[in-house]
Amino acid sequence: DAGVIQSPRHEVTEMGQEVTLRCKPISGHNSLFWYRQTMMRGLELLIYFNNNVPIDDSGMPEDRFSAKMPNASFSTLKIQPSEPRDSAVYFCASSLVPREQYFGPGTRLTVT
Amino acid sequence: GESVGLHLPTLSVQEGDNSIINCAYSNSASDYFIWYKQESGKGPQFIIDIRSNMDKRQGQRVTVLLNKTVKHLSLQIAATQPGDSAVYFCAENMRGAQKLVFGQGTRLTINP
Repeated sequence: DAGVIQSPRHEVTEMGQEVTLRCKPISGHNSLFWYRQTMMRGLELLIYFNNNVPIDDSGMPEDRFSAKMPNASFSTLKIQPSEPRDSAVYFCASSLVPREQYFGPGTRLTVT
Repeated sequence: GESVGLHLPTLSVQEGDNSIINCAYSNSASDYFIWYKQESGKGPQFIIDIRSNMDKRQGQRVTVLLNKTVKHLSLQIAATQPGDSAVYFCAENMRGAQKLVFGQGTRLTINP
């Protein structure tokens, strides 16, 4: 089992640029979660999907953030345009059994 | 990944001693609780869980205690080892919901 796969692991970009983070959940899992972790706010849920359908996006900070899950094996989190305050570590997690989430290694995003 | 909060609680213990990490949860309707371990540069990893119909659950070298009266959760690690150094998060969940709400986290450091 490869676990949850995220790419890139590190991303450095300039303010105003578009950023796309990618996630491959564990095969067979039907729920996918995007989190953001910062020193100030801790671990925050941004959005989650069940069977590729967005269920709760109340944690998405603003319209600059969008997430898609075109199929069961792939999801993206996009920030356009990016701002320095978006700098954080972004985690993807997946689950099969409700509430048992497995996290990926994260993408460290730095916006300068 | 980064840890949480400018004032992340820190617990320092001697190698071989027992560690107790505490967590206060907020929602009296929560009925499922999880402890996660996050090592530097990695995503949170599941350690142990407990349902609200239990007061105690034991794993390998770890024990979770739940006190619903005061909404308190603790994680006990026996014979702490250097590999236990990490940030530990508790998370709570309500029945029927897939969302986990994470606590602030506690950094555990092991002194040789």
